[in-house]
Amino acid sequence: SQTIHQWPATLVQPVGSPLSLECTVEGTSNPNLYWYRQAAGRGLQLLFYSVGIGQISSEVPQNLSASRPQDRQFILSSKKLLLSDSGFYLCAWSVWGFEETQYFGPGTRLLVL
Amino acid sequence: AQTVTQSQPEMSVQEAETVTLSCTYDTSESDYYLFWYKQPPSRQMILVIRQEAYKQQNATENRFSVNFQKAAKSFSLKISDSQLGDAAMYFCASLTQGGSEKLVFGKGTKLTVNP
Repeated sequence: SQTIHQWPATLVQPVGSPLSLECTVEGTSNPNLYWYRQAAGRGLQLLFYSVGIGQISSEVPQNLSASRPQDRQFILSSKKLLLSDSGFYLCAWSVWGFEETQYFGPGTRLLVL
Repeated sequence: AQTVTQSQPEMSVQEAETVTLSCTYDTSESDYYLFWYKQPPSRQMILVIRQEAYKQQNATENRFSVNFQKAAKSFSLKISDSQLGDAAMYFCASLTQGGSEKLVFGKGTKLTVNP
């Protein structure tokens, strides 16, 4: 069966510091991968998605970037965090042409102070 | 552009009773999917139920069922025999095939289950 991992689970970072959040998927090959952000009391907003290694599409221009160095690894990064980057970050996976359903990881709580 | 609207910020239900959460959506596409996700206090998004727009039959998953009204662009979730563990935020979402396969979410409905 497929599983998705995210780490760290919680992160407190000062403004201006770098960021690296990692997501890995097990039990499937060539998944589509997604990064979402959820602000307090809000729905989810898609940040980035990837259909393959090295292929990244950005939905919202911002202070963040994403990379996919391996088939089942997706990384969210920032060189300098802003206060507005605080939120709950969720990674998700889907398989093209299979149920068209996205399955989410446990998420990372990021607080920028 | 797709939009999803959940008009009920909060709902409550007595344990063992039935509750219906509302959702309307707007899309110009003919091929799309609709979802309900549950977000408990742990905040992990959990798939509750999925509906393919081309299917006329309403999807069901145990105590969860949907009322899909395609012409009205309505997609409500019915929870029968409500349990304390059903208490959570519920998000309605739509996805259009092609392009980014982007899920568009509503703002959510907070469901409280009273014992």
